[in-house]
Amino acid sequence: QSALTQPASVSGSPGQSITISCTGTSSDVGSFNLVSWYQQHPGKAPKVMIYEDSKRPSGVSDRFSGSKSGNTASLTISGLQAEDEADYYCCSFAGSWVFGGGTKLTVL
Amino acid sequence: EVQLVESGGGLVQPGGSLRLSCAASGFTLSHYWMHWVRQAPGKGLVWVSRINSDGGSTTYADSVKGRFTISRDNAKNTLFLEMNSLRAEDTAIYYCARDVRRSLDPWGQGTLVTVSS
Repeated sequence: QSALTQPASVSGSPGQSITISCTGTSSDVGSFNLVSWYQQHPGKAPKVMIYEDSKRPSGVSDRFSGSKSGNTASLTISGLQAEDEADYYCCSFAGSWVFGGGTKLTVL
Repeated sequence: EVQLVESGGGLVQPGGSLRLSCAASGFTLSHYWMHWVRQAPGKGLVWVSRINSDGGSTTYADSVKGRFTISRDNAKNTLFLEMNSLRAEDTAIYYCARDVRRSLDPWGQGTLVTVSS
């Protein structure tokens, strides 16, 4: 199964909003409502930020939101903060699990 | 507190074997599917394997199929990954993670496997 496609990098200034896209196919992203998003700071384990396309786990800031249209899922972070600078990965279930290549978010 | 702690990583020669363990605490392991995910140095996350709650069903990435075996001991709250015929490209941090509605939450801190002569 091929990796999902994410932009290598995005950037934004504090207080702004950014969106990270995650493109798959009708066999994965487009088939199930099972896209999840993970945040990973350097040297740390990943942490789930969004599950089932758009649901937020308890304890995750409501500045993080997920959506999906067709074969493309998106993660939006509003009110950017310095602590949001990290790598972000999307993941889709489609019989097995497939991750995106990751997006490095830089807060300017 | 829900916690996962991996162990068993280390340096191994190409063609060698290694067994990773993941000790679970703070929840009932037998209620959950579990996963292994790896991350090569400086690279992205790659899903490796999944096991269902009673160990009766497993799934593997094509890159490890036939070489890696996932298993679990629910009585000892422990997940395992048996890795054989290791290759240089298997060098990575290996994370275990709990399956919650097909997302992975939480993750352990990872254990580093280095395959090199």
